[in-house]
Amino acid sequence: EVQLLESGGGLVRPGGSLRLACNVSGFPFSDYAMNWVRQAPGKGLEWLSGITDTGEATFYADSVRGRFTISRDNSKNIVYLQMNSLRGEDTAKYFCAKPGFSASLGRNFDYWGQGTLVTVSS
Amino acid sequence: QSVLTQPPSVSAAPGQKVTISCSGGDSYISSNHVAWYQQFSGTSPRLVIYDDDVRPSGIPDRFSASKSGASATLAITGLQTGDEADYYCGAWDNSLRSRYVFGTGTKVTVL
Repeated sequence: EVQLLESGGGLVRPGGSLRLACNVSGFPFSDYAMNWVRQAPGKGLEWLSGITDTGEATFYADSVRGRFTISRDNSKNIVYLQMNSLRGEDTAKYFCAKPGFSASLGRNFDYWGQGTLVTVSS
Repeated sequence: QSVLTQPPSVSAAPGQKVTISCSGGDSYISSNHVAWYQQFSGTSPRLVIYDDDVRPSGIPDRFSASKSGASATLAITGLQTGDEADYYCGAWDNSLRSRYVFGTGTKVTVL
């Protein structure tokens, strides 16, 4: 059974940092790219970042480029999102998402975690 | 700041049909596969259509989709109260930005 479990969310002050983790199981993690998506309260889905299967290439949305860093540890089946210089508009539920095809970063996302909530507030 | 536009809401009575449009520029829909996601309030999104018109295992055939040029459409026939949810289209952006983009989202209401 494919499972994605996010952790690391919480309350942080503006300008602060958090590192999110997504532990995965049930599929050959090192064969798949991985992505992070967020959803602000009452808003739509926003893709944030993707990382290829080997971790050699990373991609970011304009809204987080330069502040967020995606990485992965294929020995532990974990993908991370390091978030720095957090702002109020980063308040959202953060999901990790698995692509539906091993050869593709973002053709579609067939499995999602339950999400972890990040609140940026003073 | 989504680049894929969807109607904010659609509604119909049980048993009827609704369609949701998704429109965007050439670097998104016309150049790449479109996916559709269903999200119930407070839950994670679920993939209901991929590669423009393919249903994943377990998705009923009441859900169908099509694509033409820079627009895509999701149709739900035989509408059920359990279909009431938010629906998002999504596609890769082939422009220099190399990103995935989601639609603005559509709330489906069963009257």
